[in-house]
Amino acid sequence: KQEVTQIPAALSVPEGENLVLNCSFTDSAIYNLQWFRQDPGKGLTSLLLIQSSQREQTSGRLNASLDKSSGRSTLYIAASQPGDSATYLCAVASLWGSSYKLIFGSGTRLLVRP
Amino acid sequence: KAGVTQTPRYLIKTRGQQVTLSCSPISGHRSVSWYQQTPGQGLQFLFEYFSETQRNKGNFPGRFSGRQFSNSRSEMNVSTLELGDSALYLCASSPQESTDTQYFGPGTRLTVL
Repeated sequence: KQEVTQIPAALSVPEGENLVLNCSFTDSAIYNLQWFRQDPGKGLTSLLLIQSSQREQTSGRLNASLDKSSGRSTLYIAASQPGDSATYLCAVASLWGSSYKLIFGSGTRLLVRP
Repeated sequence: KAGVTQTPRYLIKTRGQQVTLSCSPISGHRSVSWYQQTPGQGLQFLFEYFSETQRNKGNFPGRFSGRQFSNSRSEMNVSTLELGDSALYLCASSPQESTDTQYFGPGTRLTVL
């Protein structure tokens, strides 16, 4: 049974700091991995999607890596800003029946202090 | 393009009632997935619809059901509401496959009293 864990559960950093969020999964047989951002009381915004054959993806100040063999992914945020404050969720697409479903971690709540 | 829309945004019901939530996907998207988000269980997959057919279903009781119409709009229904059904219900759409990038709506906040 696929389980997704995110550490730390919460993080508070001063503005300008580079930071790393971690995601681990128990079953390496994934189709892809996605990172999302969720603002309080809102839906999710997709940040990056990494296919299982890829090692990393970049978008602006964000860089996500994937190591399928060790069951780990990291989201690197460069030069953090107060606007980056949100909950960050990772999700793996795992086979479920004849299709795939997303299995989410519990998220890392990030606060970037001005 | 307009994003994923969900109606209503907030809903208050009492135990035993039933509720229907609606989701309109991004134009051209054919896959619609539903998720339940609670503080205790996090985000959990409910079901996925594609071309009016349920393609996948999560581990939820039969009280949770859904459907998709020919224009890809989707509804989910919860019958005989329980207190534990209080949650944020999120809908997501993707072009073809659930493994494509999913675009989420703002959610419907359901409170069961």
